[in-house]
Amino acid sequence: QKEVEQDPGPLSVPEGAIVSLNCTYSNSAFQYFMWYRQYSRKGPELLMYTYSSGNKEDGRFTAQVDKSSKYISLFIRDSQPSDSATYLCAPGSSNTGKLIFGQGTTLQVKP
Amino acid sequence: EAQVTQNPRYLITVTGKKLTVTCSQNMNHEYMSWYRQDPGLGLRQIYYSMNVEVTDKGDVPEGYKVSRKEKRNFPLILESPSPNQTSLYFCASTIGTGGNEQFFGPGTRLTVL
Repeated sequence: QKEVEQDPGPLSVPEGAIVSLNCTYSNSAFQYFMWYRQYSRKGPELLMYTYSSGNKEDGRFTAQVDKSSKYISLFIRDSQPSDSATYLCAPGSSNTGKLIFGQGTTLQVKP
Repeated sequence: EAQVTQNPRYLITVTGKKLTVTCSQNMNHEYMSWYRQDPGLGLRQIYYSMNVEVTDKGDVPEGYKVSRKEKRNFPLILESPSPNQTSLYFCASTIGTGGNEQFFGPGTRLTVL
């Protein structure tokens, strides 16, 4: 079993849709949870991070963590064509200082 | 501008021909990593370095070498490349471990024939 599982998609939605991207993880030692966004032919860039269970909101993006079920979600409201990218969840442990990346979900938002 | 640079961006080579991919960061970060990205497998860490002259294996180190003689540079060396090392490679740096943002380079697409 992989430490982090993420549905690779691709996911195609119309502009304005609400998008839900999800990951599950198996290691209860993970203490912080990041989402990276990767545009085509670019390196990943940090989009959001959180250290605890619950929700964290930043504009149209909401990161949700449920440590009890080991489930991570990223919600995008009012999705835009510019949101078309691959989204990678990345939980990590302060003990090891290491991030474990999911496979990435490719999202396409159609105008 | 704060950035991580990699060279070359694209490389096609043949089996067994030694190559080096350079990585440099201008943010005075102590921690640097190399990843490879393959379809269905995501980003996997090859090697990392916590400071000058301190390097350690990641999850997929076989067939790779690294060195960290200066804080800003972290080259990836393939002594005898093989076709299964065809991949997209990313260098990343961060100020430290424990939840700090990793800054990624633009990637190097390597094809080994």
